[in-house]
This record gives sequence, C-alpha cells and structure tokens, in this order.
Amino acid sequence: EADIYQTPRYLVIGTGKKITLECSQTMGHDKMYWYQQDPGMELHLIHYSYGVNSTEKGDLSSESTVSRIRTEHFPLTLESARPSHTSQYLCASSVLGTGNGYTFGSGTRLTVV
Amino acid sequence: QKEVEQNSGPLSVPEGAIASLNCTYSDRGSQSFFWYRQYSGKSPELIMFIYSNGDKEDGRFTAQLNKASQYVSLLIRDSQPSDSATYLCAVTGGGSNYKLTFGKGTLLTVNP
Repeated sequence: EADIYQTPRYLVIGTGKKITLECSQTMGHDKMYWYQQDPGMELHLIHYSYGVNSTEKGDLSSESTVSRIRTEHFPLTLESARPSHTSQYLCASSVLGTGNGYTFGSGTRLTVV
Repeated sequence: QKEVEQNSGPLSVPEGAIASLNCTYSDRGSQSFFWYRQYSGKSPELIMFIYSNGDKEDGRFTAQLNKASQYVSLLIRDSQPSDSATYLCAVTGGGSNYKLTFGKGTLLTVNP
C-alpha cells in the first residue's frame, strides 16, 4: 500500500490556468522529489527538497515552482499551464542517507489543451 | 557522457529463460545502486538495491555490482510474462549527494 499520495491522478485543463499538483507522504521522509516523465521516455528531476523550507531546482529546467512548508507535503504549482507542460509528474520521497531508494507516488498525468 | 547508461532494448526473452539487464555509471564515487521496475503507465517500484561489490539475491532477482568496472547488472531467473516492463537503473552520488540519477531504462519483453 502506497504511503505517498498524489492528487489528482489525471487532470485535463485549459491553457493559461493555474494548477497545483499535490503530493503528501506519511512516512516522515525528509527528502522529497518531483520528476517529469513523458510516455516511453526517461525520468527528469525538476525539483527536490531535503527538508522544510528547503527547495532546489533539478536537472531539467521547469516553469513550475514548489514549496515545502510541512515535512509531509510537497506541492508543485504551474502559474500558467501551457500545452508543453503536458506530461506525467511523479513525486517521490526518501529517508536520510544515501543507501535508501525512493518511494514513488502513483503520479499525475497532466494534459493541457 | 551520460551518467548512467543502459541499453534501451527492447530485450526479448522466452518464458522461463534468464533475462540479463546491464548498466554502467560514470561517477566513481557512487555509493548505492538500485533497480526499479516500471510497468507502462505506472510509477517506478523498487525491486533491488546493492551497496557492496558482488552479488545480492532476492527470490528470482540477482543484482551484481562491480565498482572497479563501474558496472551493475540485474538477472531475472525463470522469467515470466508478468516481468515484462521497463527496468530502470539508478545510482546515488558520493558524499552528501542523495539524489538518484536514473538511466533511460531497458524495455524487457517476456514471451509466453
């Protein structure tokens, strides 16, 4: 049973709308990540956080922003959605220490029309 | 040079055969190595991790690590059609670099 939750699971929205993708975890993990993945393509890290009030941009430039006000919550926001933002967005978390893999949420499939 | 390299495949094996998936990495300081399985349209799930040189077995899966050659592999014995998926190799950096770097993945198809 997943301990990291993403909502919504699917989202179709018009160009120019503001959207927030939710990600919450109940494992007390200090590290959280957002990845973007197009169908059949590799994972790209777009944001990460190592703790409350700590956020960093990932390897792939993204117009989205994130916040980390609470340990368990790491939402991603797009101020003005565009068709180029259409993709799957995956949230993950991990516990302190390099020896621990990530636990992924079920993802949000975003379509901007 | 990409940090984590995998043969994109597809790799096709018959049911019951051994599937061998390979991965090389560029950062000699990498400390932890992971294999994820991702079914089409789903999120990745962790199936194996390995930290030390040698083999690590878990059921039908064996991970092999050779740090001198910067090489990690995953063997799947008695392959089943349900093993058909994309397998992602992931590597952490050295020191306090906790970020996982993922390879592009190898698509495995197990034919009944």
